[in-house]
Amino acid sequence: GNSVTQMEGPVTLSEEAFLTINCTYTATGYPSLFWYVQYPGEGLQLLLKATKADDKGSNKGFEATYRKETTSFHLEKGSVQVSDSAVYFCALQYNFNKFYFGSGTKLNVKP
Amino acid sequence: DVKVTQSSRYLVKRTGEKVFLECVQDMDHENMFWYRQDPGLGLRLIYFSYDVKMKEKGDIPEGYSVSREKKERFSLILESASTNQTSMYLCASPPLGGKGWNEQFFGPGTRLTVL
Repeated sequence: GNSVTQMEGPVTLSEEAFLTINCTYTATGYPSLFWYVQYPGEGLQLLLKATKADDKGSNKGFEATYRKETTSFHLEKGSVQVSDSAVYFCALQYNFNKFYFGSGTKLNVKP
Repeated sequence: DVKVTQSSRYLVKRTGEKVFLECVQDMDHENMFWYRQDPGLGLRLIYFSYDVKMKEKGDIPEGYSVSREKKERFSLILESASTNQTSMYLCASPPLGGKGWNEQFFGPGTRLTVL
């Protein structure tokens, strides 16, 4: 079946540190991949997406590359800020109504 | 911008009560979804609807029902609330008609506590 596995948190970093949040997936066919972010007290917002192998999604300094050979979609940012503190969800879409979410990774960025 | 709103941010109910959670989207979308979010489990799909009066069960429909009488409104109903339904409930709606790949637009969530 289809599933998403992401690293457990919380991840605690100092401001300006490099961030990696690992995400791997299991899917039949060719899913689309997403990263969503949830700030405290809010719903999820789309952060970035990639629809085919080798695509790179990017937004607000975050990047992730769709790696079919390793079935991965790791989230990276070169220099995190306190305002990046949130919960990050990796997700895949297999069909128009089939979304699969990871369990979420909480990021804490300290000044 | 697409806007998805939910009727309550916080709700406290008692065991056995009938609970209604309302979700409204303002962009004439066909598809709407209800998820629950629990720590360590991510988001799990309860029900989704792809048109007025059309619905399909998601992964965890037990104890829930839904209603879609108008295109913009999708209601989640807990027929008899139980403590294990204490959770964050998220409504979502994609920006297109459901064809091809879509990102989800989420409401702010309703945190439900059942005592």
